[in-house]
Amino acid sequence: DTGVSQDPRHKITKRGQNVTFRCDPISEHNRLYWYRQTLGQGPEFLTYFQNEAQLEKSRLLSDRFSAERPKGSFSTLEIQRTEQGDSAMYLCASSPQAYEQYFGPGTRLTVT
Amino acid sequence: AQKVTQAQTEISVVEKEDVTLDCVYETRDTTYYLFWYKQPPSGELVFLIRRNSFDEQNEISGRYSWNFQKSTSSFNFTITASQVVDSAVYFCALSETYYGGSQGNLIFGKGTKLSVKP
Repeated sequence: DTGVSQDPRHKITKRGQNVTFRCDPISEHNRLYWYRQTLGQGPEFLTYFQNEAQLEKSRLLSDRFSAERPKGSFSTLEIQRTEQGDSAMYLCASSPQAYEQYFGPGTRLTVT
Repeated sequence: AQKVTQAQTEISVVEKEDVTLDCVYETRDTTYYLFWYKQPPSGELVFLIRRNSFDEQNEISGRYSWNFQKSTSSFNFTITASQVVDSAVYFCALSETYYGGSQGNLIFGKGTKLSVKP
């Protein structure tokens, strides 16, 4: 059984470009979460899926951010018109119903 | 509002010393969950422990132990006989419940960076 995987691990983009990240959860985990972590801070919640339904979104998730989880398997997080303030580590986590969350290695985004 | 405070930003100890990492939380819920995660230099968050609000028993796992005290809203983590491999950032986190009682998203503290020197 593999853990949560994320792709790419690193992404450098120019301001104004769109980027998309992918997360593959642990198989049979029906819950999937996205978090953002900036330097020296703890992860901050962005959004949460139960199966394919997006059930909660943080106010941090501006309208430039969109997340999907088609068919309740992998998930994508897209950021449109990136800004330098979007530079951060984007973490994905999955969990079975009502248990601890297991995190992936993250995607480090640098917006130049 | 929910909040997790880890007042110690950085701690440095010498190998074999015991060290305690403090965590204080705020919540209005009566049902909630508390966690500790470890983030080594490689960056991946590693789950250490999950506790629900109705279980105040302290827990020991090898060199790790956790002290949960509802009266002081604290969930402290002690490493006994620390080792260099324990060097990492440690995060305490709180999760409240969604409607229906299922566990919600995690609210993290800012973390404590532990350096264990040989």
